[in-house]
Amino acid sequence: GGIITQTPKFLIGQEGQKLTLKCQQNFNHDTMYWYRQDSGKGLRLIYYSITENDLQKGDLSEGYDASREKKSSFSLTVTSAQKNEMAVFLCASSPGTGGNQDTQYFGPGTRLLVL
Amino acid sequence: AQKVTQTQTSISVVEKTTVTMDCVYETRDSSYFLFWYKQTASGEIVFLIRQDSYKKENATVGHYSLNFQKPKSSIGLIITATQIEDSAVYFCAMRPYQGGRALIFGTGTTVSVSP
Repeated sequence: GGIITQTPKFLIGQEGQKLTLKCQQNFNHDTMYWYRQDSGKGLRLIYYSITENDLQKGDLSEGYDASREKKSSFSLTVTSAQKNEMAVFLCASSPGTGGNQDTQYFGPGTRLLVL
Repeated sequence: AQKVTQTQTSISVVEKTTVTMDCVYETRDSSYFLFWYKQTASGEIVFLIRQDSYKKENATVGHYSLNFQKPKSSIGLIITATQIEDSAVYFCAMRPYQGGRALIFGTGTTVSVSP
């Protein structure tokens, strides 16, 4: 077994501020993901990374940067927070690809509120 | 377009009965992977069950089973002998074979199980 840890749990920012969210996993999984969930909606992919120092853009990458510093950690930066923005950012990881290797496991989320 | 649609916004059932949720998907790929996730009231997202498109047998895990109808592009989730703790939002998701490792999520179905 393993666990995904996301910090912080809650993040309150100001309009225009740069905000960084962090994710750590101890599954030893190769692939990590960042999703955004808006109220009443499904999850949408922001970025993913198949290995250390790799980055792949998802549909929602505009306004975000990501960094895969090492296999176990994946950071997401909101480059300029938008006023009244409210969403949950979810980190996930999967072992790799093929067979059951691509099943994704999720962290507890970071709740963002921009004032 | 690649899309996942869950038309049922909410379902209410009585404990110990069976609940069925619908999900239809669109994809250009001949191979793809289908997943169901559960999001609890605390926000935790838990992987439940998956169906690979090339497999004809419906997947079953514990009291979760799938009704995979490939000609109809449909993957229903069936929960038998429901318990109060099955109350949650259930998301259907698809990963096409091509196009990276992103999951495409539906908007979710809220299930309420009452005594």
